[in-house]
Amino acid sequence: AQTVTQSQPEMSVQEAETVTLSCTYDTSENNYYLFWYKQPPSRQMILVIRQEAYKQQNATENRFSVNFQKAAKSFSLKISDSQLGDTAMYFCALQGGTSYGKLTFGQGTILTVHP
Amino acid sequence: SQTIHQWPATLVQPVGSPLSLECTVEGTSNPNLYWYRQAAGRGLQLLFYSVGIGQISSEVPQNLSASRPQDRQFILSSKKLLLSDSGFYLCAWSDGGYAYEQYFGPGTRLTVT
Repeated sequence: AQTVTQSQPEMSVQEAETVTLSCTYDTSENNYYLFWYKQPPSRQMILVIRQEAYKQQNATENRFSVNFQKAAKSFSLKISDSQLGDTAMYFCALQGGTSYGKLTFGQGTILTVHP
Repeated sequence: SQTIHQWPATLVQPVGSPLSLECTVEGTSNPNLYWYRQAAGRGLQLLFYSVGIGQISSEVPQNLSASRPQDRQFILSSKKLLLSDSGFYLCAWSDGGYAYEQYFGPGTRLTVT
């Protein structure tokens, strides 16, 4: 069975500062993918960033980057230059390579960006 | 471009009543389809997924069922709702492409009273 754990129920950051959200996971598969999704107050799920487990290079998308530590099974999200629009719930998710795309989600971290 | 629709957006139903939530995808063919439930303030739980017409896999035993009568239509049903069925229901699709990236619909908020 796959598990995803987000140990920070809530986080806050000042506008323009940097914040890091934590995620750990467990899987027995060798090939898998990791995702961070954002759910703003509208509740629309939006993909923020993805990481292939076989790639050592950390993924980056504009202000969003990850720190992928495969041996430690850790997958943290760093948001630089935080903006008010980043206020949302953030979910870490794991997809096994043979799972037909099924996602296992963490419990989420509510991020609030203060002006 | 592809779009995904869900309806209704909001639903209030009494305990014991039936349920039917619908999800449709436009602009793609033979997508993988998924139903997730999000309880208040919590993460998403996968309920069902489908890789083709008439093919349904259940992830969690419950009083819900799913059907896929057409290629791009996915229906979530119940014969008798329970209080514990309340939540936010999300439909998603993927084309089996890069990392099976999933695209989510706007969701249905279900309140069972």
